[in-house]
Amino acid sequence: DIQMTQSPSTLSASVGDRVTITCRASQSIGNCLAWHQQKPGKAPKLLIYKASNLQSGVPSRFSGSGSGTEFTLTITSLQPDDFATYYCQQYNGYPLTFGGGTKVEIK
Amino acid sequence: EVQLVESGGDLVQPGGSLRLSCEVSGFTVSDHYMDWVRQAPGKGLEWVGRSRNKANSYTTEYAASVKGRFTISRDDSKNSVCLQMNSLKTEDTAVYYCARGSKWHLEGFYYYYTMDVWGQGTTVTVSS
Repeated sequence: DIQMTQSPSTLSASVGDRVTITCRASQSIGNCLAWHQQKPGKAPKLLIYKASNLQSGVPSRFSGSGSGTEFTLTITSLQPDDFATYYCQQYNGYPLTFGGGTKVEIK
Repeated sequence: EVQLVESGGDLVQPGGSLRLSCEVSGFTVSDHYMDWVRQAPGKGLEWVGRSRNKANSYTTEYAASVKGRFTISRDDSKNSVCLQMNSLKTEDTAVYYCARGSKWHLEGFYYYYTMDVWGQGTTVTVSS
């Protein structure tokens, strides 16, 4: 199985901050990487697919980069609506696997 | 509007069975890959299984933790997908989400699919 490791697990930030979350795959997954956002008690929501493609309707302050085994999710100018947990997910091979999540908290 | 609505979650004893349903609207389920993902209380997301679309003969993939116990099936007449769960264990306790697996791209010679729309989830509790 492909292991996905996210860091940090928790991140404290203020509105307006630039935030970066890292995701590492245990083997190369090409560009088969998605980022999902989840708020408490809610379903996840797709933000980024194919490592850097913004899902329709997602604000442009979100961006993704990377390929192979190293990926990042960046939020420029954090907004109040962005406080949530973020999961990376690989879809290069089965089983599909998620990172452990990064909770973005208010500082 | 694309919507997925799960139902069927309940309290069930260990060793029991349960059938979850995911009814969709705004698209034709037979045209799309469909995934089930679960989230144990206070934990992260865990992929459960996938049913490919009709063009790919509805073939399935499962996580090792559920293989042989869980089965994904389709009901095109109801535009829905189901998750049959047998031999349930306490560790199957979770919120179960269905998701459309329609966000695809071509890389090399293969197409790769991930989830683009999620349902709101249904809660399964396995306890005596």
